[in-house]
Amino acid sequence: AQSVTQLDSHVSVSEGTPVLLRCNYSSSYSPSLFWYVQHPNKGLQLLLKYTSAATLVKGINGFEAEFKKSETSFHLTKPSAHMSDAAEYFCVVSDGNTDKLIFGTGTRLQVFP
Amino acid sequence: DTAVSQTPKYLVTQMGNDKSIKCEQNLGHDTMYWYKQDSKKFLKIMFSYNNKELIINETVPNRFSPKSPDKAHLNLHINSLELGDSAVYFCASSQGTGTNEQFFGPGTRLTVL
Repeated sequence: AQSVTQLDSHVSVSEGTPVLLRCNYSSSYSPSLFWYVQHPNKGLQLLLKYTSAATLVKGINGFEAEFKKSETSFHLTKPSAHMSDAAEYFCVVSDGNTDKLIFGTGTRLQVFP
Repeated sequence: DTAVSQTPKYLVTQMGNDKSIKCEQNLGHDTMYWYKQDSKKFLKIMFSYNNKELIINETVPNRFSPKSPDKAHLNLHINSLELGDSAVYFCASSQGTGTNEQFFGPGTRLTVL
């Protein structure tokens, strides 16, 4: 069965410093992976997705993620955090058999001035 | 122009009552979903419909009954509400399934007293 593990429940950074949100996946075949963001009291928005094309995926708002099969990782990064990046981030894998999205437990990103 | 809309945004009700949440999407998508997000932010799919047909039905109590009158609408009716039903319910839509981006509504916060 497919699953994702988000290694940090909370990450705090200062504005202007790099962001790293970690995600490891488990899949019996080549997975489709996503990062979604949820701002307070809002719905979820897709940041980026990997579907077996380029391993380095660029998303919206300056975020990117790299698919590393050898490490079964799909970490989300951003070179310089902005206050507006403060939100909950979800790593997600698509179950190829059922087309369900399986969500990680989320990482809350705090950005300090 | 709201892509995926839900009503109501907040719903407070007593145990044992029956309530409905409505969802509409104006994106022309053929697939719609209901998700439940618990107090720890964990997000799990409940149902999905493709062209008004039920595709995914997770192990959800049969007190929950989705209804899709047409491709643009997927409503969720809940009978005999219980305390454990308190959560935020998100509707989403996509064109097709699997790796296609899902667009989420703003959520309905249900509180059962």
